Amino acid sequence: AQSVAQPEDQVNVAEGNPLTVKCTYSVSGNPYLFWYVQYPNRGLQFLLKYITGDNLVKGSYGFEAEFNKSQTSFHLKKPSALVSDSALYFCAVRDDTGRRALTFGSGTRLQVQP
Amino acid sequence: DAMVIQNPRYQVTQFGKPVTLSCSQTLNHNVMYWYQQKSSQAPKLLFHYYDKDFNNEADTPDNFQSRRPNTSFCFLDIRSPGLGDAAMYLCATSRDLGDREKLFFGSGTQLSVL
Repeated sequence: AQSVAQPEDQVNVAEGNPLTVKCTYSVSGNPYLFWYVQYPNRGLQFLLKYITGDNLVKGSYGFEAEFNKSQTSFHLKKPSALVSDSALYFCAVRDDTGRRALTFGSGTRLQVQP
Repeated sequence: DAMVIQNPRYQVTQFGKPVTLSCSQTLNHNVMYWYQQKSSQAPKLLFHYYDKDFNNEADTPDNFQSRRPNTSFCFLDIRSPGLGDAAMYLCATSRDLGDREKLFFGSGTQLSVL
């Protein structure tokens, strides 16, 4: 079984401040972790993924995520938030035991205030 | 340029009246997926096609069917929509199956059931 938890329904941050969107996961075996973003009236867009290697993964639009195996977390971060970053963010996980489907978290709405 | 196109953007149907949602892709990807996303919930995989090979998730109701007549097109058929089937339906593609593959999503079809 695999699951993802995004404990915050919404995160509010002022423009220019750093942001963090939290994600924890549970899988059997090694996790493959993803972040997707959904802008209003748009489909989900891939931001970044962790497969193996460096625990800090860099992705699109200046986002990065840190894989922490001991805490089973994969938090999304950005050093300086933009108003245009306001969107819905989904964390997703696959395991390496043969299951093909991604499991998504319930999403976190990021609101960046000017 | 849209790579995964879903039509229509909004669909209204009546309780029990069959409805078909469509998806097309210009990426020539092997895999096409259908997800159901209810408000404030995670996208839930209904099924996917790997080429012509259909794979149903175990908990997908029989009311949901899919067709993939060629590489570019995939359809979601809801035989007898119920009020609980009102949701956003997301089509996605990936180049191949595999743990490392990222998904490309369409903008979704918002289905209302009256």
